[in-house]
Parts: sequence; C-alpha cells; structure tokens
Amino acid sequence: AQSVAQPEDQVNVAEGNPLTVKCTYSVSGNPYLFWYVQYPNRGLQFLLKYITGDNLVKGSYGFEAEFNKSQTSFHLKKPSALVSDSALYFCAVRAPSGNTPLVFGKGTRLSVIA
Amino acid sequence: EPEVTQTPSHQVTQMGQEVILRCVPISNHLYFYWYRQILGQKVEFLVSFYNNEISEKSEIFDDQFSVERPDGSNFTLKIRSTKLEDSAMYFCASTKIKDTEAFFGQGTRLTVV
Repeated sequence: AQSVAQPEDQVNVAEGNPLTVKCTYSVSGNPYLFWYVQYPNRGLQFLLKYITGDNLVKGSYGFEAEFNKSQTSFHLKKPSALVSDSALYFCAVRAPSGNTPLVFGKGTRLSVIA
Repeated sequence: EPEVTQTPSHQVTQMGQEVILRCVPISNHLYFYWYRQILGQKVEFLVSFYNNEISEKSEIFDDQFSVERPDGSNFTLKIRSTKLEDSAMYFCASTKIKDTEAFFGQGTRLTVV
C-alpha cells in the first residue's frame, strides 16, 4: 500500500527566503506524485505533479519540486517565499496502476513571516 | 476555468439523520472521488467511482455510506445514519483520466450534533 510522510507539522520562513517542505513516499512501482495547497476554509488546489520525465517539475505560483527516486522524496521548494504562500501544503502519491486513489500526507503548515 | 462545485457548503444535522452531499464534477471528467478531512487531520480517501460503479473504497466507507451518479452531472455521497464522528469536511474530486491531477471542490463542512 502506498503512503506519504511529511515529517514537519510546521515550517516557518522569512519572506524572501527560500522555502522547502519535505515529503517522502512509499509506493509499488513508479509513483505519481502531487502537491496540493489548502488555504483557510478552501478546497485543495493543485500545485504541481510528477508523472515521468525531468526530476525537477515546475508548478503554479513559482513552486517547484524535485523527484528523487533513490531517496523516495518529492520535496516542495520555492526560491523566494511570499507572505501569501502561508497555507497548508499536502503531498500526495498515487500508484501507477488502475484507478487507485490519491494518498495524502498529513500536511505541513507553512508560515511566511514578513 | 472549469471547476468542481459542491453543495451545500455547510450542513448541520442531528445524529442518526441521513444527509446527502452533492457534487458537480468537471463535465468531461470520467473518474470521481470523495475524500474527507476531519478537523486538523489528514485528507482521507473514501471512495472512487468510474463508469457508474464504485472502483475502490476505503475501510471508512462502510455500509452507512453510498454514492450515486443519478444523472449526467451530479455525483452524490449519502450518509444513512450520521454519527458524531462523521463530522468533517467532505471533498469531491474528479479527474479526466487516471494519470492526471485531481480537481477538488471547495468542500462541504458536515457537522453532526
């Protein structure tokens, strides 16, 4: 069965500094990996995905993530954080076969301080 | 931009009552899902639906839950006899094909009192 670990409940970063939100996964076969963001009282918004191809994927709002197969990681990064990036971030994985559902991590709350 | 819509945004119900949560997935999507998020906890998969039948369900999705696609546009989640622990945010999602990202609705906050 697939699983996702987000080891940090909370990440604090100063505005303008780079940010990293960590994610590791476990899945049989090649993973489909996703990052979603949730703002207060809102649904989940898709940020980016890795299906195949380049290990570095770029997504919405200047975010990017790097797929590292040997470390089974898919960390979310942004070179320069904005206060408006403050939100709850979820990493998710899906197995490549069949209509398997997304399995989410527990989420990491990002707080960007001005 | 097309989006998944859910109604109502907030539902309060008494324990033991039946509730129906409604979703309109994106029109050309083929796969439909329900997830829930208990306050402060992770997002949990409930059920997936394809070709007018359940394709996968979690252990949470027991006999009190059912899903239906009664017409070409709506996708509903019914909880037959609600319990206090059913209080959560319920999200509907859809995907065009299985390899693409899921699009989520804004959620229905269900409060069972």
